[in-house]
Amino acid sequence: NAGVMQNPRHLVRRRGQEARLRCSPMKGHSHVYWYRQLPEEGLKFMVYLQKENIIDESGMPKERFSAEFPKEGPSILRIQQVVRGDSAAYFCASSFRPGAQVTEAFFGQGTRLTVV
Amino acid sequence: GNSVTQMEGPVTLSEEAFLTINCTYTATGYPSLFWYVQYPGEGLQLLLKATKADDKGSNKGFEATYRKETTSFHLEKGSVQVSDSAVYFCALSVNYGGSQGNLIFGKGTKLSVKP
Repeated sequence: NAGVMQNPRHLVRRRGQEARLRCSPMKGHSHVYWYRQLPEEGLKFMVYLQKENIIDESGMPKERFSAEFPKEGPSILRIQQVVRGDSAAYFCASSFRPGAQVTEAFFGQGTRLTVV
Repeated sequence: GNSVTQMEGPVTLSEEAFLTINCTYTATGYPSLFWYVQYPGEGLQLLLKATKADDKGSNKGFEATYRKETTSFHLEKGSVQVSDSAVYFCALSVNYGGSQGNLIFGKGTKLSVKP
């Protein structure tokens, strides 16, 4: 059972370009979470998605950032018109929901975005 | 609101020394508590967890006990190794109807173990 797969591992974008980060959850997992880790900081929650639904986007910046988790294919975190402050490591995690059981989320290795 | 506070690093220890990394939390309701470890250049790996008061999570020689009365979940290891050098994150979960929702992380504590 492959783990959470993120690609690319490293992404370099010039200011003003778009960054597209992909996350394939573990097999059988239908819940995806995106986190951002700024240098010397902990992870900050961005968005929680189920298939075709955004459940909680309270951590997403209001502009330029969007996320989706389509019925088929990976979850995508899209950052439009990137700025230097978007440089960070972006981690995806997935989990399943077997009724009332509490489960942990499994993390991918992250995508390190550098804006130049 | 929900938050996690953990001791600031970096923490530098000699091999075989005793390790404690403090973590306290504030939360509404009854969260689950976690310790994650991040090795250089890698993603986060779950180290241990506890889902209710007085539970003790343990893994790879690390332990942490869910203390509701002190709202703490301190990480301990009796004898650290060089391979334990990493950043350790304390976290709690906000539940959505019984299933874990988003995690709330502390800022992380960097541990360096010298031979």
